[in-house]
Amino acid sequence: DTEVTQTPKHLVMGMTNKKSLKCEQHMGHRAMYWYKQKAKKPPELMFVYSYEKLSINESVPSRFSPECPNSSLLNLHLHALQPEDSALYLCASSQGQTRLNYGYTFGSGTRLTVV
Amino acid sequence: GIQVEQSPPDLILQEGANSTLRCNFSDSVNNLQWFHQNPWGQLINLFYIPSGTKQNGRLSATTVATERYSLLYISSSQTTDSGVYFCAVERIGAGGFKTIFGAGTRLFVKA
Repeated sequence: DTEVTQTPKHLVMGMTNKKSLKCEQHMGHRAMYWYKQKAKKPPELMFVYSYEKLSINESVPSRFSPECPNSSLLNLHLHALQPEDSALYLCASSQGQTRLNYGYTFGSGTRLTVV
Repeated sequence: GIQVEQSPPDLILQEGANSTLRCNFSDSVNNLQWFHQNPWGQLINLFYIPSGTKQNGRLSATTVATERYSLLYISSSQTTDSGVYFCAVERIGAGGFKTIFGAGTRLFVKA
């Protein structure tokens, strides 16, 4: 079992819906990330939170809104998505600010379909 | 920006065979990691290996940072080794950290 828990595992939403993806870790990691992965492609970084502050936003459209309520939780709020936003959304965490310094731990992902 | 190339893109093995996956990167990097993504999408850390050689069971990895490549060795392959193997590098520059994934090697191990 992964030590990074993502919910829900699957989500189908309409283009006018508002939904949230959740990610939780209890390893004491202080950096958390959202990645987007399209089929047969590598993961693409969306956001990085370091010590609960947003440190990286990779020019992600505003219909994706991240939130880090505390050091263990990371949310991704979704609103007015497009069908091309359908993908696997992965959460990851790591110790400290050097993301690969001790290795990432990934969650099992949320498979999102926008209809 | 830095380029990360993995080869081969696809690989089919008979169970029990050995294989070598390669990751080339175009510039110096601070960190490198190998991941396995299983058919259900779960990404698993295999090795954190910015340089040197590490072994874990049937898997081992070598990174030659001065020559800008890393190799992942799989010995006595099993059907559960199927999936996609990603190499990811991290480079620290003026703009902060940048993590780049290679396109992956898709492995299928036949029983």
